[in-house]
Amino acid sequence: DVKVTQSSRYLVKRTGEKVFLECVQDMDHENMFWYRQDPGLGLRLIYFSYDVKMKEKGDIPEGYSVSREKKERFSLILESASTNQTSMYLCASTPSGTAGNYGYTFGSGTRLTVV
Amino acid sequence: QQQVKQSPQSLIVQKGGISIINCAYENTAFDYFPWYQQFPGKGPALLIAIRPDVSEKKEGRFTISFNKSAKQFSLHIMDSQPGDSATYFCALMNTGFQKLVFGTGTRLLVSP
Repeated sequence: DVKVTQSSRYLVKRTGEKVFLECVQDMDHENMFWYRQDPGLGLRLIYFSYDVKMKEKGDIPEGYSVSREKKERFSLILESASTNQTSMYLCASTPSGTAGNYGYTFGSGTRLTVV
Repeated sequence: QQQVKQSPQSLIVQKGGISIINCAYENTAFDYFPWYQQFPGKGPALLIAIRPDVSEKKEGRFTISFNKSAKQFSLHIMDSQPGDSATYFCALMNTGFQKLVFGTGTRLLVSP
């Protein structure tokens, strides 16, 4: 069974901390994505990557960065966590050029609370 | 800006009834229209999808109706069951870019 694994289910961090959210997929997918999910706003794209070392800004990249040093791992970094970054973070992956056929595979999410 | 408008925000349907969720969009560059289903504590999972060259797609109790001229598409769940209780998201994609744009979600509760 294919999987996208997010390292933490729940995370509590203090304002100003640097936060790392990790995502690993075992499907050899080229494309990986980070979304945040908030009630009433749906899922909004933060960053995505089409391949190792590549990254593209999504719709709401401010306050975030990403790292993709290996194909299977895509990390989301909150440079200086703020309370408005309290949210559910979802990682997803899909094979290159096939998202229209197979859709995205999502992880179970990391619920981050910044206090 | 919200590229896709989804309604209703929440929906309560009796067991055996029909659940209907609607989405509307503006940008005609999108060419792939999926629906995702999300259960509590889980990530969204692809439920059913349609391309704009067809007006309807049915998979079991789930049907997508697509109106290209009106730029609207909807999900119909026939004979709704308590196990269908979940949050449903419509989404859009331009397959040239592989990025999904999601609606705001509909929380469906099917009462026994």
